[in-house]
Amino acid sequence: EPEVTQTPSHQVTQMGQEVILRCVPISNHLYFYWYRQILGQKVEFLVSFYNNEISEKSEIFDDQFSVERPDGSNFTLKIRSTKLEDSAMYFCASSEPITLEKLFFGSGTQLSVL
Amino acid sequence: AQTVTQSQPEMSVQEAETVTLSCTYDTSESDYYLFWYKQPPSRQMILVIRQEAYKQQNATENRFSVNFQKAAKSFSLKISDSQLGDAAMYFCAYRSAETSGSRLTFGEGTQLTVNP
Repeated sequence: EPEVTQTPSHQVTQMGQEVILRCVPISNHLYFYWYRQILGQKVEFLVSFYNNEISEKSEIFDDQFSVERPDGSNFTLKIRSTKLEDSAMYFCASSEPITLEKLFFGSGTQLSVL
Repeated sequence: AQTVTQSQPEMSVQEAETVTLSCTYDTSESDYYLFWYKQPPSRQMILVIRQEAYKQQNATENRFSVNFQKAAKSFSLKISDSQLGDAAMYFCAYRSAETSGSRLTFGEGTQLTVNP
């Protein structure tokens, strides 16, 4: 069964550094998403992306965040200057093309900001 | 804005028994989807079951079934014949069907323990 792939599985960075989280969505999917989950808390929506542009973003997704689909397969989330509170699990997801109703999630990248 | 509430932070069940996890939501929309996701210790999000709001029939997937009460805005998950592998965090989630590619809104989660 096709799946969403995320790399790396764990990333440790120093406060103020830039990080790029990478995702390969399922190949025929059209909508792509980033969510995050701070340890012990609910999963929160960050951004959705369709047709090479952001279709929706949450209040969390401020100027320090950006997303990009640099080629036909990768989907990246960049955090320009990381803060301690950015430490979380970041999930990438994509939607199937016909009904768009079901999201498939990757296994996540655990980001630790020191 | 839509909200999803799971009022049970923790639940436990004996192996082979049945357990019901509660979820309520608030929306002004008439067309939407509801989901239950399972998150084991690996923290991967696994879709358990989904329900379309326009369908009155409750969804079932093997040992998992839902009780969808649209008027009451309630969407509970029933796990029958509980197994040790069912132990996980369970999240209820809402998604609008009125906008393409809309976000999932999650509840706070219920941690399910299965006792042998």
